[in-house]
Formats: sequence, C-alpha cells, structure tokens
Amino acid sequence: EAGVVQSPRYKIIEKKQPVAFWCNPISGHNTLYWYLQNLGQGPELLIRYENEEAVDDSQLPKDRFSAERLKGVDSTLKIQPAELGDSAVYLCASSGPAGERYEQYFGPGTRLTVT
Amino acid sequence: QKEVEQDPGPLSVPEGAIVSLNCTYSNSAFQYFMWYRQYSRKGPELLMYTYSSGNKEDGRFTAQVDKSSKYISLFIRDSQPSDSATYLCAMSRSGYQLIWGAGTKLIIKP
Repeated sequence: EAGVVQSPRYKIIEKKQPVAFWCNPISGHNTLYWYLQNLGQGPELLIRYENEEAVDDSQLPKDRFSAERLKGVDSTLKIQPAELGDSAVYLCASSGPAGERYEQYFGPGTRLTVT
Repeated sequence: QKEVEQDPGPLSVPEGAIVSLNCTYSNSAFQYFMWYRQYSRKGPELLMYTYSSGNKEDGRFTAQVDKSSKYISLFIRDSQPSDSATYLCAMSRSGYQLIWGAGTKLIIKP
C-alpha cells in the first residue's frame, strides 16, 4: 500500500512569491491534515479535512494561506505571498476510520526555504 | 506555558540500555496519548497509542499513562542504534486534534 505522497520535497523561493504544496493521501482515508513543523518543534495543525470539507481551519492564517481538497482526495496548500517566517517543513497526513482517527500517517514533508 | 512539555534532549545512551522518555501535560481532558517516532527528513510514524490510563506493551516498547500526575512515559528496552530518532508525544481530547510535544532527540551509541 502506498503511503502519503507529497511534492515537491524541497522548495526555495524569494519572499513575496507564491508557493504551492501537493498531497495525495492513503487510498480510502477520508481525513486529511496539513501541519507545519519548525525545527526542534512538534507539528502544528493548519487545517483538517473530512472528505471535501474543511472542518478545522482555525489555525490557518487565512490572509496568506489557502487550501483545497477537490473531490475529497488530493489536496493543495498555497501560500501567497510567502514571508521569511514561513520557512518550515509542511507535512501532510491522513487517517482512516473514525475509530482509528488517532493514527495519522504522515508524508515526508515539503521543506520550504524563503529567502 | 505549553499544554505539553517534553525535554528536547539530546538523550545519548549506550546500545542495550533501557531508555525512558517522558512528557507532562496540563489539560486533564486529554484521553488519547500517542508516541510517534520521527527519523531525520521523514514524517512522524505512530509507535504506541494508549486510551485513558494504564500501560501498553509492544515488543521492546512500553507506554505508560499516569493521568493523576499528568505524566506519560515511553520505555525502550534493549535499545538499538536504529532506535536513534526524535520521539514525539502527542495527546488529544477527541483523537483528531493532536497537541504535540517538541520531541526528544535520542541517540543510541553502538
């Protein structure tokens, strides 16, 4: 079974430029999460999807961040414009049945560097 | 003060030693307690899960939850160099929104 796929793995951009990250969750997983992880810190939730619906986006900085999950499968996270403080690893995760929602499967992440 | 506190380490021990990793928390509503392992440049992977209180064992790994003290532990027996990684504790009221510790970097010396 394929795991969570993310691309690109690495991205370097200049500040004020836009950037987008893509995630393909494990097949059949209805719940999808986007996290941000800074060096030496645990992941911080940005948004959680149940199928196509964003059910928890309270931590998403909506002035510059946006996300979508069309058709309830793949998801894209966008930053526009990027700031220096956005440099971090962006992790995508998915989970399966509600009874196992605590078990989140993570992709390898996209390491973003904003210069 | 953070909801979940975890010593960042690094914790360096010789191969074969018993490792003890710990987290404390402040929110008594947490019911789900997880330990994730994260290798460098990889995403976290779930190691152990405990619901409410008690102990759970899986091979060389044992997870303990003491809700009265708001303290959770992960023990690794017969530690191996391949156990070298960052260990993150995570907790939740609902099982969805996980609150994470900062992670402890563990180094097992051959």
